Amino acid sequence: AQSVTQLDSHVSVSEGTPVLLRCNYSSSYSPSLFWYVQHPNKGLQLLLKYTSAATLVKGINGFEAEFKKSETSFHLTKPSAHMSDAAEYFCVVSDGAGNTPLVFGKGTRLSVIA
Amino acid sequence: EPEVTQTPSHQVTQMGQEVILRCVPISNHLYFYWYRQILGQKVEFLVSFYNNEISEKSEIFDDQFSVERPDGSNFTLKIRSTKLEDSAMYFCASGTGATNYGYTFGSGTRLTVV
Repeated sequence: AQSVTQLDSHVSVSEGTPVLLRCNYSSSYSPSLFWYVQHPNKGLQLLLKYTSAATLVKGINGFEAEFKKSETSFHLTKPSAHMSDAAEYFCVVSDGAGNTPLVFGKGTRLSVIA
Repeated sequence: EPEVTQTPSHQVTQMGQEVILRCVPISNHLYFYWYRQILGQKVEFLVSFYNNEISEKSEIFDDQFSVERPDGSNFTLKIRSTKLEDSAMYFCASGTGATNYGYTFGSGTRLTVV
């Protein structure tokens, strides 16, 4: 069975500084990994996905994540935080084909300080 | 960009009443899902639906819940005899089933049982 651990429940950064949101996963198979973002009172928006192609994945809004199999990690980064990045971020894993259920981490709330 | 549409955005119901949450998936998608997020907790898988039948369900999805695709466009989640603990944000999602696609989520319906 797969699982996801998001190592920080809350991360606070200053505007213009780098963002690092950490995620470790456990999976019996070659996983598909995703990052979703949820702004207040909004739905879940896909930021980026890894599905066994390039290990460095670029997403929307300047975010990227690197799949490291040896470390079972899929950390999300952004070089320079913007106020609009403040939101809840979910690391998500799925085993097997694209129709299998997603398993969500508990989420990391990102705060951006002016 | 195609969207998954959920209605209503917020529903308040009395304990013991039945509710139907509605979703319009993306038109060329074949796989449909319901997830829920109780306040402060993880997003949890409820059920997946393909070819007019349930393909997978979690232990949360008991006899109180049912899903239906009544007219080829809508995808509904019915909760019979609602309980206080059913209060949550319910997300509908749809996908193509392709491993490299991921899902598209709707904005959610916030269900409050009083």
